[in-house]
Amino acid sequence: DIQMTQSPSSLSASVGDRVSITCRASQSISNYLNWYQQKPGKAPKFLIYGASSLQSGAPSRFSGSGSGTDFTLTISSLQPEDFATYYCQQSYSTPYTFGQGTKLEIK
Amino acid sequence: EVQLVQSGAEVKKPGESLKISCKGSGYSFTSYWIGWVRQMPGKGLEWMGIIYPGDSDTRYSPSFRGQVTISADKSISTAYLQWSSLKASDTAIYYCARRDYASGTSFHWFDPWGQGTLVTVSS
Repeated sequence: DIQMTQSPSSLSASVGDRVSITCRASQSISNYLNWYQQKPGKAPKFLIYGASSLQSGAPSRFSGSGSGTDFTLTISSLQPEDFATYYCQQSYSTPYTFGQGTKLEIK
Repeated sequence: EVQLVQSGAEVKKPGESLKISCKGSGYSFTSYWIGWVRQMPGKGLEWMGIIYPGDSDTRYSPSFRGQVTISADKSISTAYLQWSSLKASDTAIYYCARRDYASGTSFHWFDPWGQGTLVTVSS
């Protein structure tokens, strides 16, 4: 299985801050990397595919980058609704493993 | 609107069997893979497996193979996740999700997701 490791596990930030979350794969996955957002009590919501392609409807303050084994999700200016847990997922091969999640909290 | 609607919460005893469902609507159910994801209390997302309702081709995560069975009934656009003998450690929220894709590429992702089914296993 491909292991996905996110860092940090949690992050405190303020509205308006720029934040980045890192995801590392245990082997090269090219750019087969997705990002999801999950709020408490809700199902995950798809944000980004192919490491950097924003799904239609997602705010443009979200962006993704990376290729191979190292990837980054960046939120350019945090909004109150962005405080949530973020997961990366590789879609390179089954099982399509997730990272352990990064909880983004209000400072 | 593409939608996945899951069956309601379940409370079971250890050793009991269970089958939960995920009904798709608003799209061609037989043309998209459906995946299952576990989320244990306060924990992250774990990919369990995936099924193609068109021909019932199924792939399991090694962590879940032999522990659960994934199936689908295309006549009623419904996918299932079942256990033959539940354990307390099966207590979790289980999500189904459609594997969508970008035309002309190999990129795919899970969207939309069902609302989740809470399974509680307790004596």
